[in-house]
Amino acid sequence: DVKVTQSSRYLVKRTGEKVFLECVQDMDHENMFWYRQDPGLGLRLIYFSYDVKMKEKGDIPEGYSVSREKKERFSLILESASTNQTSMYLCASSSVHYGYTFGSGTRLTVV
Amino acid sequence: EDQVTQSPEALRLQEGESSSLNCSYTVSGLRGLFWYRQDPGKGPEFLFTLYSAGEEKEKERLKATLTKKESFLHITAPKPEDSATYLCAVHNSGAGSYQLTFGKGTKLSVIP
Repeated sequence: DVKVTQSSRYLVKRTGEKVFLECVQDMDHENMFWYRQDPGLGLRLIYFSYDVKMKEKGDIPEGYSVSREKKERFSLILESASTNQTSMYLCASSSVHYGYTFGSGTRLTVV
Repeated sequence: EDQVTQSPEALRLQEGESSSLNCSYTVSGLRGLFWYRQDPGKGPEFLFTLYSAGEEKEKERLKATLTKKESFLHITAPKPEDSATYLCAVHNSGAGSYQLTFGKGTKLSVIP
């Protein structure tokens, strides 16, 4: 089974801090994605990557950046955390037949 | 633009009361339709992939069906442990590398 591992389940950060969310997958998938999920808004795509060092903006990239230096690892960076970035962050990698495999999520609170 | 609409937003069922969740979609070319289950505070978990109209997939008390415009997730004799949010997503054949469009989900509560 494909595993997607997110480094933290819960994080509390202060406004203005630089925040790193890490995601690792073990199935050699080329495609990886970062979403945020908020009540009533569903899943919104922040960034995605089709290959090492490749990245594409999703629907809501403002305030975020990403890094993919190795195929298995995709990092989401909040350059200067703000309270409106308090959310559940979900990482996923994809295959043809199973759509996405998601990580367990990181609940980020910015105070 | 691809669109996925799920209804109802929330559904409360008594244990054993069968029902269906709906996923209506608009895509230029469907490559696949996916159903996921999400428990509170966790990431979505894959349930089914459907590729063409008329296709059906089953798993325990769940059965997913697909037409050219919508998909249904039928829940037969549900149990409290089936309580979760169910997400539907589509893959457009014109979209790059398996990018999916998600609906907002149906929150199912099964009361003992």
